[in-house]
Amino acid sequence: GENVEQHPSTLSVQEGDSAVIKCTYSDSASNYFPWYKQELGKRPQLIIDIRSNVGEKKDQRIAVTLNKTAKHFSLHITETQPEDSAVYFCAAGWTTDSWGKLQFGAGTQVVVTP
Amino acid sequence: DTEVTQTPKHLVMGMTNKKSLKCEQHMGHRAMYWYKQKAKKPPELMFVYSYEKLSINESVPSRFSPECPNSSLLNLHLHALQPEDSALYLCASSQGGEKLFFGSGTQLSVL
Repeated sequence: GENVEQHPSTLSVQEGDSAVIKCTYSDSASNYFPWYKQELGKRPQLIIDIRSNVGEKKDQRIAVTLNKTAKHFSLHITETQPEDSAVYFCAAGWTTDSWGKLQFGAGTQVVVTP
Repeated sequence: DTEVTQTPKHLVMGMTNKKSLKCEQHMGHRAMYWYKQKAKKPPELMFVYSYEKLSINESVPSRFSPECPNSSLLNLHLHALQPEDSALYLCASSQGGEKLFFGSGTQLSVL
């Protein structure tokens, strides 16, 4: 099955700086790579996702890059704000037209200090 | 309506009890999922339903029994659970296999 490794496990950044979280996956059949943000006591929320036929995607301050050859993908958050503090999970998996199966990384606790 | 609603929010049960978790979505999504999340850990997939049929059972013990009565509802029936089953149980739905929407979860404690 799919195995996803995520680093770092914790990340402290000053407000306004950038944050980068990296993930690797093992199954070359994986074709879908979402990122979820989970605040304390809340549900995981999708913040950005990328398919295997795309190398990079950006949405305002958030960007994701995918290197299929190396089986790496990364989340970049620019101009961090205190409200970016949360646990971020990467995931890798495959999808059909009807459903999908995701394997989540262990998570990164991001703390943004004012 | 862009929400996945789960009830109850909290549940405490003894090891001999029978209880059910409920999940509802009205986004027209055809896939629904149960995940289990322990504290400070990632969600772990338990079951996937597609078009009301069970597509994946991730070798979950039989004390957990899923049910999908219709395209909007997903239940998880619990019986004879163990204390190590205490966790946050998350329901999710998706249209196709992407962009899973998670519910807020049921925090389960087994005494």
